[in-house]
Amino acid sequence: GENVEQHPSTLSVQEGDSAVIKCTYSDSASNYFPWYKQELGKRPQLIIDIRSNVGEKKDQRIAVTLNKTAKHFSLHITETQPEDSAVYFCAATPDSYDKVIFGPGTSLSVIP
Amino acid sequence: EADIYQTPRYLVIGTGKKITLECSQTMGHDKMYWYQQDPGMELHLIHYSYGVNSTEKGDLSSESTVSRIRTEHFPLTLESARPSHTSQYLCASSESGILYSNQPQHFGDGTRLSIL
Repeated sequence: GENVEQHPSTLSVQEGDSAVIKCTYSDSASNYFPWYKQELGKRPQLIIDIRSNVGEKKDQRIAVTLNKTAKHFSLHITETQPEDSAVYFCAATPDSYDKVIFGPGTSLSVIP
Repeated sequence: EADIYQTPRYLVIGTGKKITLECSQTMGHDKMYWYQQDPGMELHLIHYSYGVNSTEKGDLSSESTVSRIRTEHFPLTLESARPSHTSQYLCASSESGILYSNQPQHFGDGTRLSIL
């Protein structure tokens, strides 16, 4: 089955700097890669997702890149703000699965 | 408003009690999931459902059971609560896409469970 690794487990950046979180997956059949943000005491919420038919997707300050050959994908946050502080989870799944495999999470702290 | 609702939000209860955590969604989603999560930590899938009358065990061994008699309702039951069950339980749902089967999951606010 699918296995998703995520690095780093914790990340601190200065406000205004960029943050990058990297994930690797094991199942070459995986073709859907969502990212979730979970603020302290709140529910996880989807922030961006990408399917294997594209290599990059952007939404304002957030971008995700996918390298199918190397089986890794990354989240990029530019011009970080204190409200970006949260735990971020990557995930991967083949379309034939009905469940999504989550990475262990990255705790991002943006220092004002 | 279409959303996914969990009750109770917090529950403190003694060992040996039977507990049911409620989850309802008003989005008409086919797929529903239960996760166990210690605050800010990894999400562990304990049960999921493709639709009515379908239930499957997840990756984390659990002493809980689920049922899916109605599309919108997916309750989780612990027959005899133990201190090791203390955690947060998150319910989620997603639709079955026409072009792509896997779609984003929508999470509820969770139930914080403490077993004394």
